[in-house]
Amino acid sequence: EVQLVQSGGGLVKPGRSLRLSCTASGFTFGDFAISWFRQAPGKGLEWVAFIRGKPYGETTEYAASVQGRFTTSRDNSKSIAYLQMDSLKTEDTAVYYCSRYGGRPDYWGQGTRVIVSS
Amino acid sequence: DIVMTQTPLSSPVTLGQPASISCRSSQSLVHSDGDTYLSWLHQRPGQPPRLLIYKISNRLSGVPDRFRGSGAGTDFSLQISRVEVEDVGMYYCMQSTQFPHTFGQGTKLEIK
Repeated sequence: EVQLVQSGGGLVKPGRSLRLSCTASGFTFGDFAISWFRQAPGKGLEWVAFIRGKPYGETTEYAASVQGRFTTSRDNSKSIAYLQMDSLKTEDTAVYYCSRYGGRPDYWGQGTRVIVSS
Repeated sequence: DIVMTQTPLSSPVTLGQPASISCRSSQSLVHSDGDTYLSWLHQRPGQPPRLLIYKISNRLSGVPDRFRGSGAGTDFSLQISRVEVEDVGMYYCMQSTQFPHTFGQGTKLEIK
């Protein structure tokens, strides 16, 4: 069974950092891209970041709103993807989701809440 | 960026009746590989999104056949043949043809 389990959210002050994890099971992790999304309170879905699988060089893409502040990476030996979030702003407050992407976002993590507030 | 526009934003429907949601993209979603990466997702309050349809009209395994996706180029639609209670919630179209991947604003499906 494919599963994505997320961890690492919490309350953090503006300007600080936080790292989210997305631990996968039930499939060959390295073969798939992982996409990150977020949903601000009461708002719609927003794509945040993307990391390709090993066959595609594990290259990354970012939304303009997080470019230069967020970094996604992966450890295929542990089947974990990460979203490192630096220089956090209040507008980064949201529930963050990871998703397996193999041409479509077919499996999603449960989400983890990030609150950026002083 | 590709802008995705959904209509309607709210759809009150009677149980057992059909429902339809439209999604229009600001440019063609046909990828250079020939596929069109248009997906439909459903989200209930407090839950992560769930993929229903990918590449316009392909139902993910386990998705009931009352859900049907159609369209081409820039105009797409999701149709539910007979709405059931568990279908309430938000529906989003999403394009992953080009980065940044983008979503429609969402359509709230509710029972009359």
